[in-house]
Amino acid sequence: DQQVKQNSPSLSVQEGRISILNCDYTNSMFDYFLWYKKYPAEGPTFLISISSIKDKNEDGRFTVFLNKSAKHLSLHIVPSQPGDSAVYFCAAPNYGGSQGNLIFGKGTKLSVKP
Amino acid sequence: GAVVSQHPSWVICKSGTSVKIECRSLDFQATTMFWYRQFPKQSLMLMATSNEGSKATYEQGVEKDKFLINHASLTLSTLTVTSAHPEDSSFYICSCGDRGYNEQFFGPGTRLTVL
Repeated sequence: DQQVKQNSPSLSVQEGRISILNCDYTNSMFDYFLWYKKYPAEGPTFLISISSIKDKNEDGRFTVFLNKSAKHLSLHIVPSQPGDSAVYFCAAPNYGGSQGNLIFGKGTKLSVKP
Repeated sequence: GAVVSQHPSWVICKSGTSVKIECRSLDFQATTMFWYRQFPKQSLMLMATSNEGSKATYEQGVEKDKFLINHASLTLSTLTVTSAHPEDSSFYICSCGDRGYNEQFFGPGTRLTVL
């Protein structure tokens, strides 16, 4: 049972436009969410996070929105750049399991075309 | 963020051999380290959690006798894949965290190919 879901395996966007990556979760106990960016054959790098006490967190071109009632979060990248092309993972800490364990979605591959 | 290294970055071995992967936290005292693996087109899946000085906690379905984890110091954790088989071929990634923090710092990963 996937507790963190990214239903779009891929997304293609034109350079300069907005990229919107979506993530849904099923566990209402999750109270913190993270987005990681991953290039091929490299480890994930932290991008941005949001606590459940907020509904928005912004860092430069990256903004994460959280809708707790819908158990949905999204990552907005604007404007999108070719260097943003990577796989983006949504994750949430699973406190009920191993402390600090992150549960990841399957990822969405973003391709930004020049 | 913290810098985490892994060695080797890739390894090819024959079926039945054992492979050791090192994960080092270069500038961070990692009381907790996590080992993940990622199969093609799949998510990162947690294999085990190790706390410095104590036994690792394995996730369901992960054989502790096959994937030996040692976290003897605050800067080093090792994962040994014993008697590797082709189905163990995967991308193994470690991460470091600290109690009370949600964020983890990931290593660059190790690509294991078992022939």
